[in-house]
Amino acid sequence: EDQVTQSPEALRLQEGESSSLNCSYTVSGLRGLFWYRQDPGKGPEFLFTLYSAGEEKEKERLKATLTKKESFLHITAPKPEDSATYLCAVTTSGTYKYIFGTGTRLKVLA
Amino acid sequence: DGGITQSPKYLFRKEGQNVTLSCEQNLNHDAMYWYRQDPGQGLRLIYYSQIVNDFQKGDIAEGYSVSREKKESFPLTVTSAQKNPTAFYLCASSIDRRDGYTFGSGTRLTVV
Repeated sequence: EDQVTQSPEALRLQEGESSSLNCSYTVSGLRGLFWYRQDPGKGPEFLFTLYSAGEEKEKERLKATLTKKESFLHITAPKPEDSATYLCAVTTSGTYKYIFGTGTRLKVLA
Repeated sequence: DGGITQSPKYLFRKEGQNVTLSCEQNLNHDAMYWYRQDPGQGLRLIYYSQIVNDFQKGDIAEGYSVSREKKESFPLTVTSAQKNPTAFYLCASSIDRRDGYTFGSGTRLTVV
């Protein structure tokens, strides 16, 4: 069964304390892996798409990487405004749906 | 600015009542989706539509219905057959499935 698992469930960081969020997947035929940011009570906001192992994408303090089994979202010198839930999703060959993970709740303390 | 508009933001449903959630997009996207989000669970697909006048059931379609009469609009009806409708509902659209979704701001439905 196709599955996406995110860890940790929750993470508290001090401002400036860099860390990484993990998204591991077991799917047959990965087409793409997506990262989203979701603020409380709002819809997810698209961050990155990764298509193949070795690919990396960056945006401000965020960097996403992809291997054949997992993806990491690295957060460098985070600020309180980076606090949110980060969602990972994958699409597989032959399907029009995403498989979402349950997310990592990030809290950055000033 | 282009985007997806969901309304209402909050909705209360009485037992045995049907309610309709609105989703409108001006992104000229062909594909539209409805997801349900519950605490501690990943987003689950209710229905999706790749083109006008065509839609397919997702993983949890029972108790829900949709229509796609216009490219811009994809309303979701939560029927009385849905036994546990309290949740956060998200509408999304995309150019195609290789692209990231654009999500609306969501509708929180509560049964009273």
